[in-house]
Amino acid sequence: AQKVTQAQTEISVVEKEDVTLDCVYETRDTTYYLFWYKQPPSGELVFLIRRNSFDEQNEISGRYSWNFQKSTSSFNFTITASQVVDSAVYFCALSGLNDYKLSFGAGTTVTVRA
Amino acid sequence: NAGVTQTPKFQVLKTGQSMTLQCAQDMNHEYMSWYRQDPGMGLRLIHYSVGAGITDQGEVPNGYNVSRSTTEDFPLRLLSAAPSQTSVYFCASTKRTTLNEQFFGPGTRLTVL
Repeated sequence: AQKVTQAQTEISVVEKEDVTLDCVYETRDTTYYLFWYKQPPSGELVFLIRRNSFDEQNEISGRYSWNFQKSTSSFNFTITASQVVDSAVYFCALSGLNDYKLSFGAGTTVTVRA
Repeated sequence: NAGVTQTPKFQVLKTGQSMTLQCAQDMNHEYMSWYRQDPGMGLRLIHYSVGAGITDQGEVPNGYNVSRSTTEDFPLRLLSAAPSQTSVYFCASTKRTTLNEQFFGPGTRLTVL
């Protein structure tokens, strides 16, 4: 069974502060994908990033960066210099490499105040 | 491409009523799925399909039926609605070449009274 845990329920920051979202996962699969999705107040789900279990290299994409550590089963996500438009619910998710079923965490609500 | 479309956007039902949530995609994706989103629980998989004629149960299938007669359509049927089925329902699709990136529909907000 797969399990994704997002321990932070809500985070509130002032604009321009950095925000780090924690994600811890459990899986018996040796190969898998990890994802971050964003759900703005309008309700749609927006794909942000994907990382496969083969590659632990951490990357930066614009104001987003992620830290994948297989040894601790963590996949943390950071928004640098947050903006009001970053206010949303952020979901961490996991799937097997050849399995399209997604297991989601409970989500972290991020509020960025002007 | 319209992507993944869902109808209706909102629906109110009375306990015991039945209805079908519609989902369609025009991307020729072989894999389609239904999730429900409840506060504090993230999204949970209800049913999924790996191709026309093939469906299987996810984590929370009770009270729901699905069928997949075409590649494009994957309707979700509530046989006898219960208040516990009040939720937001998302349909998603993907295919192998997208590396498991799921494309989600806009969601259907269902209230069962």
